[in-house]
Amino acid sequence: EPEVTQTPSHQVTQMGQEVILRCVPISNHLYFYWYRQILGQKVEFLVSFYNNEISEKSEIFDDQFSVERPDGSNFTLKIRSTKLEDSAMYFCASSGALLGYGYTFGSGTRLTVV
Amino acid sequence: GNSVTQMEGPVTLSEEAFLTINCTYTATGYPSLFWYVQYPGEGLQLLLKATKADDKGSNKGFEATYRKETTSFHLEKGSVQVSDSAVYFCALSGGNTPLVFGKGTRLSVIA
Repeated sequence: EPEVTQTPSHQVTQMGQEVILRCVPISNHLYFYWYRQILGQKVEFLVSFYNNEISEKSEIFDDQFSVERPDGSNFTLKIRSTKLEDSAMYFCASSGALLGYGYTFGSGTRLTVV
Repeated sequence: GNSVTQMEGPVTLSEEAFLTINCTYTATGYPSLFWYVQYPGEGLQLLLKATKADDKGSNKGFEATYRKETTSFHLEKGSVQVSDSAVYFCALSGGNTPLVFGKGTRLSVIA
């Protein structure tokens, strides 16, 4: 069964450093997403991406965040200057359509900012 | 905007007990509804879905029925196992909006 692959599984970074979280979505999917889950809390939408541009973003997705699909297969989330409160599990997801099919999620990257 | 409310956890049950996790939603139009499961240390897996009113989604002994009149999508299982211990998330997708999750309900099943 096709999978969404995320790397690394765990990243520790110092406050103020830049991090790039990587995802390889399912190859024939068209819609891509980043979500995050702060430990013990709900899963929150960050951004959606379609046709090489952001289609929607939440209030959380401010100027310190950016996304890119650099080579047609990878989908990356960059956090420019990490803060302690960015510590969370970040999930990438992809979908073949907007409605009705659900998303396939990766297993997540646990980001710890120290 | 779209939102999902699900029952607070944790829920602790003995093996073979009946499970219900309540979920209600607010949405414009006709959303699709989902249950996702997160096993310890893992990501989110789609458990079941329903795309229109009165549809019943089912998988692995779990089922949920899309009730438009009560805006609900309660998750049920007749006989839970220890291996069902996980966090369960109700979610919806409406129109062209991204998937919106409830807060999750932690289920612990004891032998």
